[in-house]
Amino acid sequence: DAGVIQSPRHEVTEMGQEVTLRCKPISGHDYLFWYRQTMMRGLELLIYFNNNVPIDDSGMPEDRFSAKMPNASFSTLKIQPSEPRDSAVYFCASSTATGELFFGEGSRLTVL
Amino acid sequence: GIQVEQSPPDLILQEGANSTLRCNFSDSVNNLQWFHQNPWGQLINLFYIPSGTKQNGRLSATTVATERYSLLYISSSQTTDSGVYFCAVTPGQNFVFGPGTRLSVLP
Repeated sequence: DAGVIQSPRHEVTEMGQEVTLRCKPISGHDYLFWYRQTMMRGLELLIYFNNNVPIDDSGMPEDRFSAKMPNASFSTLKIQPSEPRDSAVYFCASSTATGELFFGEGSRLTVL
Repeated sequence: GIQVEQSPPDLILQEGANSTLRCNFSDSVNNLQWFHQNPWGQLINLFYIPSGTKQNGRLSATTVATERYSLLYISSSQTTDSGVYFCAVTPGQNFVFGPGTRLSVLP
């Protein structure tokens, strides 16, 4: 079975540009999570969805960040405009209602 | 919100040694998982263990939910065990991660 698929794996962009990260959860999983990992803050939850509906977005750092899940097999995390402090590894994860979490390989973002 | 602590923060072992990593959490949880983040950054599921004991090869884990802690045992460590070990807990659905234990296994 395919795991959680994220793209791109690496993104280098300049400050002010729009960044879109993509995620395909495991088929049949009805929860989808976006995490950000930095050296300073560790792994922090940004937002999670249940059945494509955002449930908790309290971790989204500011209005420059937005996330959507238009259907059960696709989600995006967008940063507009990007800033150097957004540089991090962004992980997508999915789970069933029983809760075991599976991660994608992450998208490493560098904003110059 | 729930607080998660892990100890020790860093651990250096000689290949073949055994180790115990600890995770303490501040409130009741429904779920607990252990992950290994390898040097390439991948987060790999080790155990989904809200309570009880599980074993998988050289690794085993025990969660005592009533006392709010979990232990991860690594026996006969290998260099491929190096990386960061995270404990993650949730009282509901969204997992909160501990700061991790960084393990270095030397040949």
